[in-house]
Amino acid sequence: DADVTQTPRNRITKTGKRIMLECSQTKGHDRMYWYRQDPGLGLRLIYYSFDVKDINKGEISDGYSVSRQAQAKFSLSLESAIPNQTALYFCATSVAGPGTDTQYFGPGTRLTVL
Amino acid sequence: QKEVEQDPGPLSVPEGAIVSLNCTYSNSAFQYFMWYRQYSRKGPELLMYTYSSGNKEDGRFTAQVDKSSKYISLFIRDSQPSDSATYLCAISGGYQKVTFGIGTKLQVIP
Repeated sequence: DADVTQTPRNRITKTGKRIMLECSQTKGHDRMYWYRQDPGLGLRLIYYSFDVKDINKGEISDGYSVSRQAQAKFSLSLESAIPNQTALYFCATSVAGPGTDTQYFGPGTRLTVL
Repeated sequence: QKEVEQDPGPLSVPEGAIVSLNCTYSNSAFQYFMWYRQYSRKGPELLMYTYSSGNKEDGRFTAQVDKSSKYISLFIRDSQPSDSATYLCAISGGYQKVTFGIGTKLQVIP
């Protein structure tokens, strides 16, 4: 069974639509992250959350918002999707504590904005 | 200058070859070094985790860190077609901010 799950796995939408990507984890980790991956640009951090009440912007948060509904759930929203948000989106988790930088990734959501 | 530089490849090698994958980094404060493997249409999975300079071996994989040169390497011995994937280096200063390389795409030809 997957420890980090993402839904949907694939989504095609139109410019201007609101989209929500969901992430759930059974690893019991406190920390959760949203990344997007683009060819030639690698993984870029959108938002991260160290616990339910702690949410922080990453390097490319403009146009995105997040919600941490519970320790195990972290959602990413695109309020008004635009074509340059077409990318592969990954959720990741990690444990809290110094030196514990290992992140565990979900299978990804492939989002296409037309 | 990017914090982490990684050649995107692609790198094609024959089965059984020794593969060398490399990254350079700019911030000497980085002290935790990781390699992730990402198969097509999958999420990255942790392959190796090292702290400080030196070598770490796990089966056919060896991770090497040279902090004086700000250079990290991953060696794959006796490469197999199943090793065909994209390999991402990842570097951290120990406070949960992880910087990833763009990944090197490896193809092992049977």
